[in-house]
Amino acid sequence: AQSVAQPEDQVNVAEGNPLTVKCTYSVSGNPYLFWYVQYPNRGLQFLLKYITGDNLVKGSYGFEAEFNKSQTSFHLKKPSALVSDSALYFCAVRDPGYGQNFVFGPGTRLSVLP
Amino acid sequence: NAGVTQTPKFRVLKTGQSMTLLCAQDMNHEYMYWYRQDPGMGLRLIHYSVGEGTTAKGEVPDGYNVSRLKKQNFLLGLESAAPSQTSVYFCASSPGTGLDDEQYFGPGTRLTVT
Repeated sequence: AQSVAQPEDQVNVAEGNPLTVKCTYSVSGNPYLFWYVQYPNRGLQFLLKYITGDNLVKGSYGFEAEFNKSQTSFHLKKPSALVSDSALYFCAVRDPGYGQNFVFGPGTRLSVLP
Repeated sequence: NAGVTQTPKFRVLKTGQSMTLLCAQDMNHEYMYWYRQDPGMGLRLIHYSVGEGTTAKGEVPDGYNVSRLKKQNFLLGLESAAPSQTSVYFCASSPGTGLDDEQYFGPGTRLTVT
């Protein structure tokens, strides 16, 4: 069965500092991994995805994520956080062997302090 | 280009009442999904559709029905609402070109069942 864990409910970081939002996953096959962001009272917006190839994936708004197969992780990173990055972040996994179902993690709330 | 829209934005129901949530997309996407979002649990898939006239069960389908009579619309029905169905409901769509497609989300419907 597929599963996604986001071990931190909340991450606080000062503006200008680097940020990391952690994600680990469990699938039976090769995963397709995604990050989405949710701003207050809005739907989720796609940030980036890993399908195959280079382990470092670059996405929207300066975010990037590193796929680590041995650690089954897909951590979201940004070199310099902005106050406007404050939002709820979701990691999601799709196991091609299980068809259409995405499995979402519980979410991590990022607060960037000015 | 409105993307994915949901109607209504808010609704309060009494236990046992019925209602239908409407999702519409103008991107000519093949696949559509209904999720519910509960605190600390991420998004859970209720039902999905891989094309006009098709529907399939997701992770938490009990108490819900869906229909996809037109490609651009995906309806979610609650026949007899229960307090456990209090949640925020999100509709999403994806092109349907492959399992690496990202999903496009609507703004959500906040449903309270008393």
